Amino acid sequence: GDSVTQMEGPVTLSEEAFLTINCTYTATGYPSLFWYVQYPGEGLQLLLKATKADDKGSNKGFEATYRKETTSFHLEKGSVQVSDSAVYFCALSDNYGQNFVFGPGTRLSVLP
Amino acid sequence: NAGVTQTPKFRVLKTGQSMTLLCAQDMNHEYMYWYRQDPGMGLRLIHYSVGEGTTAKGEVPDGYNVSRLKKQNFLLGLESAAPSQTSVYFCASSRRLAGGPNEQFFGPGTRLTVL
Repeated sequence: GDSVTQMEGPVTLSEEAFLTINCTYTATGYPSLFWYVQYPGEGLQLLLKATKADDKGSNKGFEATYRKETTSFHLEKGSVQVSDSAVYFCALSDNYGQNFVFGPGTRLSVLP
Repeated sequence: NAGVTQTPKFRVLKTGQSMTLLCAQDMNHEYMYWYRQDPGMGLRLIHYSVGEGTTAKGEVPDGYNVSRLKKQNFLLGLESAAPSQTSVYFCASSRRLAGGPNEQFFGPGTRLTVL
């Protein structure tokens, strides 16, 4: 079946450091890819998404590019802030919206 | 709009007790989902619904039942709770788009402990 693998962390960075969280997937067909963020005590929120190869999703300074050749969707941010501390989930969905698969999540802590 | 709401926020059960978790959305979404979140395992899909009156099994459906009698509500039932069902439960909803899946909107979660 479909699956998502991501670095589990925790990842600890200093403020203004560069962030990369790796995500790779296995899927049949051509899934859509997502990054969700979960702040403490809250539900997940969509951070960004990409629906086809070479698409770049971006939001709040975060970016990720859909790489079909390497089956990857790595999350990057050039300069993290303390407020970015959260758990980040990579996910994929089939094109019918009936099969969402989430990675295990990566906990990010940003220190001032 | 309230978005996706879940009731209750916290619950403690004894083994063998039953309960129902309620999820409600006011966005007129067609799709609704129930997930459980356990440490180190991300979210796992329990059941989902693609429309009023229809439900389907997800990755981990055993021990749970669901109903979608109204489009805005999706109920998750535990008939005989077990300690292995201790988890945080999230409900989500999404629109149906012709071009493919849309983002899921999540509720705040229900923390369930089974003793």
